[in-house]
Amino acid sequence: DGGITQSPKYLFRKEGQNVTLSCEQNLNHDAMYWYRQDPGQGLRLIYYSQIVNDFQKGDIAEGYSVSREKKESFPLTVTSAQKNPTAFYLCASSMYSGNTEAFFGQGTRLTVV
Amino acid sequence: KQEVTQIPAALSVPEGENLVLNCSFTDSAIYNLQWFRQDPGKGLTSLLLIQSSQREQTSGRLNASLDKSSGRSTLYIAASQPGDSATYLCAVFVSGTYKYIFGTGTRLKVLA
Repeated sequence: DGGITQSPKYLFRKEGQNVTLSCEQNLNHDAMYWYRQDPGQGLRLIYYSQIVNDFQKGDIAEGYSVSREKKESFPLTVTSAQKNPTAFYLCASSMYSGNTEAFFGQGTRLTVV
Repeated sequence: KQEVTQIPAALSVPEGENLVLNCSFTDSAIYNLQWFRQDPGKGLTSLLLIQSSQREQTSGRLNASLDKSSGRSTLYIAASQPGDSATYLCAVFVSGTYKYIFGTGTRLKVLA
């Protein structure tokens, strides 16, 4: 089955910890994206990557880091510098030209305890 | 800066009604526009993609239109059903930036 897999589904973080959210796709898409969703708000772009070994900051990159070492994978690390990390995190992928239809994973809900 | 607005924020209708959801964007330099559905606690499911050169797309009971010059798109849902209850989001893929900008969504409830 082609698609995007995010793991884990639920994640709990203690104050001061770094945590990493996984995102894997087997759609052979060039571009991958991380969004954050807070209750009652739209999706806000954290980071995006058009090709391997390259990525750009989105609108709310502070306190987050990413890597893109493989085309299929785009992990997101939420660092201790992110002061309000409790949110729903969504990963997406698409081609970056031609048919740029975006596909999303099922999300990871991160809670600070 | 591209901004995407969806009106209304919430909508409640009886089963069987035809309804229209609205999406507006401030910059017409878009590559495409995509409509999504989101169920509570879930990821986004793609419904329809309209390329910038197209005027509309149809899938089953759904029809989406695009008017780039006026910065508007509408999602038409025919004969609504309780299973259509969800949040509907539109997003524009901004030309030259390779990223999607999302609206805040319309929360739809279809009453049986």
